[in-house]
Amino acid sequence: GNSVTQMEGPVTLSEEAFLTINCTYTATGYPSLFWYVQYPGEGLQLLLKATKADDKGSNKGFEATYRKETTSFHLEKGSVQVSDSAVYFCALSYGGATNKLIFGTGTLLAVQP
Amino acid sequence: DVKVTQSSRYLVKRTGEKVFLECVQDMDHENMFWYRQDPGLGLRLIYFSYDVKMKEKGDIPEGYSVSREKKERFSLILESASTNQTSMYLCASSAPERPHEQYFGPGTRLTVT
Repeated sequence: GNSVTQMEGPVTLSEEAFLTINCTYTATGYPSLFWYVQYPGEGLQLLLKATKADDKGSNKGFEATYRKETTSFHLEKGSVQVSDSAVYFCALSYGGATNKLIFGTGTLLAVQP
Repeated sequence: DVKVTQSSRYLVKRTGEKVFLECVQDMDHENMFWYRQDPGLGLRLIYFSYDVKMKEKGDIPEGYSVSREKKERFSLILESASTNQTSMYLCASSAPERPHEQYFGPGTRLTVT
């Protein structure tokens, strides 16, 4: 079946460090891929997306490339800030018209000044 | 800005009680969703609705029901709360033209004692 696997956290980095959060997926067909972010005390919000192979999604300095050959969608940022501390969820869409998402387990990022 | 509000941030109920969790969105979205979020399990879909009075089961509907009498409101009902329903409950909505770009409420942390 369809599934998303994320690296386990927490990930602890110093400010201005490089960030990678790994995400791999298993899916039939051609899903769209997403990264959502949940800041402390808030609901999830969409960070970026990619709808087909080799697409790169980007937002707020974060990037992720849809790699069909490795079934991956790793999240990267060149220089993290304390304000990036949050839980990051990788997700894929499935079922076309059914509008459903499958989420990974989430990765907690803690950035220290 | 899209706003999704949930009736309570924190709720404590006793085993066997009937529990109502309310969600309201102000963007005229057709699609609405209820998830539960548990450590190590990520988000799991309980129910969703793609129109008034329409509902479909998600991945873990057992022990839950929903109601959608108005477009902006989607209620989650625990008919007889049990301790294994202690969790964070998240509501989300999305527009049909971008069904996978979901907007989330801040969540209700429910404790069943």
